[in-house]
Amino acid sequence: GPKVLQIPSHQIIDMGQMVTLNCDPVSNHLYFYWYKQILGQQMEFLVNFYNGKVMEKSKLFKDQFSVERPDGSYFTLKIQPTALEDSAVYFCASSPRDRRSSYEQYFGPGTRLTVL
Amino acid sequence: AQKVTQTQTSISVVEKTTVTMDCVYETRDSSYFLFWYKQTASGEIVFLIRQDSYKKENATVGHYSLNFQKPKSSIGLIITATQIEDSAVYFCAMRVGGNYKPTFGKGTSLVVHP
Repeated sequence: GPKVLQIPSHQIIDMGQMVTLNCDPVSNHLYFYWYKQILGQQMEFLVNFYNGKVMEKSKLFKDQFSVERPDGSYFTLKIQPTALEDSAVYFCASSPRDRRSSYEQYFGPGTRLTVL
Repeated sequence: AQKVTQTQTSISVVEKTTVTMDCVYETRDSSYFLFWYKQTASGEIVFLIRQDSYKKENATVGHYSLNFQKPKSSIGLIITATQIEDSAVYFCAMRVGGNYKPTFGKGTSLVVHP
């Protein structure tokens, strides 16, 4: 089936540094999402993005977070500066613009972020 | 605000039996979509099955089916003829019409053993 790729699979950085998580969504998908999952817990919605704009974001999407997809390349999540509580697995997802699919989401394998 | 609740933390079953996982949801919207996802031990998240609120028939895909009880705001996932590889964490999720932000439950861990 359709695949979403995420780069890197694991990132370790020091608190206060900047990190960029990259997502390569399914090629014909138009809606993009980021989720945060702390080990053993449920996935928490962060943000979704369409047509170059943030459509919705949650309380977890702090001011230090930003997303973009310049010129159809990677959909990125940038955290600057990072904090210890940002340690988690971040999942990217994409969905087509298709009524029949009701915006079913396809998830990437996740990027495990460790902030020291 | 929407809410999705999965009360079963973990379930253990013998291979080839049928298992049901519970999920109840809360929303004031009349139009919504319900999803089940599977997260494997490797972390991979896979979409399994969907139920649209306006459909009365229970969705079925392969050995996955749903028990949609709208008056009870309940959407149970039924897995028949379970296999070892069905061992995973199963998440229930809901998206309301016109809203792009899905809400996930906390997940139910399923262990299928020989």
